[in-house]
Amino acid sequence: SQQGEEDPQALSIQEGENATMNCSYKTSINNLQWYRQNSGRGLVHLILIRSNEREKHSGRLRVTLDTSKKSSSLLITASRAADTASYFCATDASTSGTYKYIFGTGTRLKVLA
Amino acid sequence: NAGVTQTPKFRVLKTGQSMTLLCAQDMNHEYMYWYRQDPGMGLRLIHYSVGEGTTAKGEVPDGYNVSRLKKQNFLLGLESAAPSQTSVYFCASRMEGNTYNEQFFGPGTRLTVL
Repeated sequence: SQQGEEDPQALSIQEGENATMNCSYKTSINNLQWYRQNSGRGLVHLILIRSNEREKHSGRLRVTLDTSKKSSSLLITASRAADTASYFCATDASTSGTYKYIFGTGTRLKVLA
Repeated sequence: NAGVTQTPKFRVLKTGQSMTLLCAQDMNHEYMYWYRQDPGMGLRLIHYSVGEGTTAKGEVPDGYNVSRLKKQNFLLGLESAAPSQTSVYFCASRMEGNTYNEQFFGPGTRLTVL
């Protein structure tokens, strides 16, 4: 399987704390994206980081990318109960404009009020 | 805009039955994808399409067929359903162009094969 790995598989924190989840992948990539999935729903795009970028911010989200280690991390600061969801990384390693994505196995985040 | 819609939302099949899942998008996207999601496995790509009239195999295509006769629709067919195809199926679409465009996902179809 070409799937990426995410860790931890599950994470439970108190509201207001920071949540960090990690993604590792296997091949060279064009970009890496993070998605959120609320229970029983489809995935929603959060943030994209290009292969030549090392860090990116969007609101309370901070993403880092280390291409030498083939890994990325997603930090959610000052977490809220509404952040409870599963988070997936997806890598685009495709060539010739096929834009196929490899998804990680996901991290289930639970934020306790 | 409705975005990406999927029909039906739930379905129960008996082994050997056939069915078609419909995905529709109203964003004029060129690319469309079918994924399946199983517990602990993340999303795995079944088939995808880079434009009307074209389809290609993804990571787990066996047991499925697809068609993209109209740009806005992407159909996923199961000719003879098996219990191993019990899963949640997601459709997604994205714009053509560069690699930095995001995918938009439908709400999913929960399929159980008995």
